[in-house]
Amino acid sequence: SAVISQKPSRDICQRGTSLTIQCQVDSQVTMMFWYRQQPGQSLTLIATANQGSEATYESGFVIDKFPISRPNLTFSTLTVSNMSPEDSSIYLCSVGQGGNYGYTFGSGTRLTVV
Amino acid sequence: AQKVTQAQTEISVVEKEDVTLDCVYETRDTTYYLFWYKQPPSGELVFLIRRNSFDEQNEISGRYSWNFQKSTSSFNFTITASQVVDSAVYFCALSGPNTNAGKSTFGDGTTLTVKP
Repeated sequence: SAVISQKPSRDICQRGTSLTIQCQVDSQVTMMFWYRQQPGQSLTLIATANQGSEATYESGFVIDKFPISRPNLTFSTLTVSNMSPEDSSIYLCSVGQGGNYGYTFGSGTRLTVV
Repeated sequence: AQKVTQAQTEISVVEKEDVTLDCVYETRDTTYYLFWYKQPPSGELVFLIRRNSFDEQNEISGRYSWNFQKSTSSFNFTITASQVVDSAVYFCALSGPNTNAGKSTFGDGTTLTVKP
């Protein structure tokens, strides 16, 4: 199955600043998915990133707040902009695979906004 | 719309007990996939199993087993002879027919605590 390297693993940021999270996949994939997991909650899909086109955002998430880049088939970034304490969450990237591998997830970025 | 319900928010058992985590799903897709993931305290999400809608055979992997019943839209997960290392949050998830392109819908998770 694919291996995803996600950075940073954790960060503590000041409110009003931005953080960019990177995901590198060891194989080419069509789509990458970005999820948010708020404390004690389940995973919520933020957006789907397709190489060569703008990301598709889920209801409640907007590009100005969570801009996404997908420059090639193995890499994507998610930026959390103008952060507030409510943005404190774990952010995870994911890729879908065929066969019996299901979806593979990055190790997550644990963000704390103070 | 897809929906996954994990009615058990928290379960606590003593080591060596068997425990079953329930998962009920809703979907209009005729082809779909069901998943279980484990999230230990470290936060990473560990894939455990994927099951497609055409395969209702139960699966066993070591101490883990899964019971997929399409008639009741359930995909339950049993841990036999639980161990302290099984303590984690477990998520059940559902996706459409194309896992290369489709997103997953997650249940709210069940927090399992196994006490020594």
